[in-house]
Amino acid sequence: GAGVSQSPSNKVTEKGKDVELRCDPISGHTALYWYRQRLGQGLEFLIYFQGNSAPDKSGLPSDRFSAERTGESVSTLTIQRTQQEDSAVYLCASSPRVAGNTIYFGEGSWLTVV
Amino acid sequence: TQLLEQSPQFLSIQEGENLTVYCNSSSVFSSLQWYRQEPGEGPVLLVTVVTGGEVKKLKRLTFQFGDARKDSSLHITAAQPGDTGLYLCAGSRTGRRALTFGSGTRLQVQP
Repeated sequence: GAGVSQSPSNKVTEKGKDVELRCDPISGHTALYWYRQRLGQGLEFLIYFQGNSAPDKSGLPSDRFSAERTGESVSTLTIQRTQQEDSAVYLCASSPRVAGNTIYFGEGSWLTVV
Repeated sequence: TQLLEQSPQFLSIQEGENLTVYCNSSSVFSSLQWYRQEPGEGPVLLVTVVTGGEVKKLKRLTFQFGDARKDSSLHITAAQPGDTGLYLCAGSRTGRRALTFGSGTRLQVQP
C-alpha cells in the first residue's frame, strides 16, 4: 500500500495476556518508529529502527515491551503480561532517513486491556 | 517532566477567531515540526522549521521558530471548523534519532 499500515486497528485483551501489534512501513523507508499515545495525550517514544543498525530501545517502559524488525520491512511490537495502564493507541511511523525529516504515521492500533 | 511543553492544552473558540499555540522547551532543537491529528488517525506533518527566527506560512497558519531554537508558535487566523484537531509540536535534537513530541493542544472551533 501507499501508506504505513498497522494491524489490528483495535484490540481488546484481558489483563495478563500477551499481544502483538504489526506495522508495515512505506516501501523503501529505512527508519521505523513506535510511539504510544494515551487518550488525549501527546506521543511517547518507544523504539526506533534504522536499517540494520542496533535499535534505539530507550523509550520502552518496561521489559514487558519488545519489538522486532526484519531488515527494512515489517515490525512487530509485543507486550507481554498486559496491564491496564498499557491501554493506549500504539502508533507506527516510517521515514526515508533519520529523524528531522518527514515521518509518516499509520492510523494506529488501539489497545484496550480489561 | 515533559521536554516540550505545549500551551494551552485545550482551546475552544468560535469560527473566525484568531489563536496562538505555544511550544516551549529548555533544550535546543536542530529542527521543529508541527503535526495535526484527527480522531482515529495518525498525526500528519504541517511544517518543519529549521533556522532560528524562521517564519513559515501555510495559508491561514503561521509558524515561528524561536531565535534560540528552544520554542515555537503556531498562529491560526480566522479559524474554521475544519481546523479542529490535536496540534502536536515535535523536536529533533542533535544525536537523538527519534522525534520528541509535545503533549499537544486540542483545538475545537465552533461554527
